Amino acid sequence: GAVVSQHPSWVICKSGTSVKIECRSLDFQATTMFWYRQFPKQSLMLMATSNEGSKATYEQGVEKDKFLINHASLTLSTLTVTSAHPEDSSFYICSARATGTGGYQPQHFGDGTRLSIL
Amino acid sequence: DAKTTQPPSMDCAEGRAANLPCNHSTISGNEYVYWYRQIHSQGPQYIIHGLKNNETNEMASLIITEDRKSSTLILPHATLRDTAVYYCIVRVSGGGADGLTFGKGTHLIIQP
Repeated sequence: GAVVSQHPSWVICKSGTSVKIECRSLDFQATTMFWYRQFPKQSLMLMATSNEGSKATYEQGVEKDKFLINHASLTLSTLTVTSAHPEDSSFYICSARATGTGGYQPQHFGDGTRLSIL
Repeated sequence: DAKTTQPPSMDCAEGRAANLPCNHSTISGNEYVYWYRQIHSQGPQYIIHGLKNNETNEMASLIITEDRKSSTLILPHATLRDTAVYYCIVRVSGGGADGLTFGKGTHLIIQP
């Protein structure tokens, strides 16, 4: 149980294009999902918290107009990197925690999306 | 969230128990200890968590000291597939925005 799926796993695109990444909880509902970014040889950094039916909460230094988050259902959150540039190349990872469980319950992570901007 | 300290790397022979320490001396009473691991180029995988008591599941055991200032994750029979970066995270229970703060973790290398 507690499977989180991310799609696509790899994407390469030209500078200036927008890229959408999907995060789905396959066997549970998630009111809250989280988006992280990981640069080579570094740890995961939380970018934003995605709440179903409301606006996302962004961490300091993360541009909300560049990283658009939509959490339209209890099983799907999307991250769109708008007008992507080479410095946005990174490993993007989502996680989800089951709805209704206590705050101490663990988050479950997707397998990540490796984004390369040429 | 309380800060955690882990050794940057450890080696362990295949088939032996891997014991990964974590120091969290400033942990408060309502903070849980979570362990995750990240195998290269994959998302983190939840392993185990605990508050006060020792915990065991199919993957590992978590030993928390009585004063809760440190803990040890035990992989009882390490295999090559256990090579990964292991993260110890201390987290307050309850709702609200609770994204995880990842430190640098311990890079565990299982030697054949």
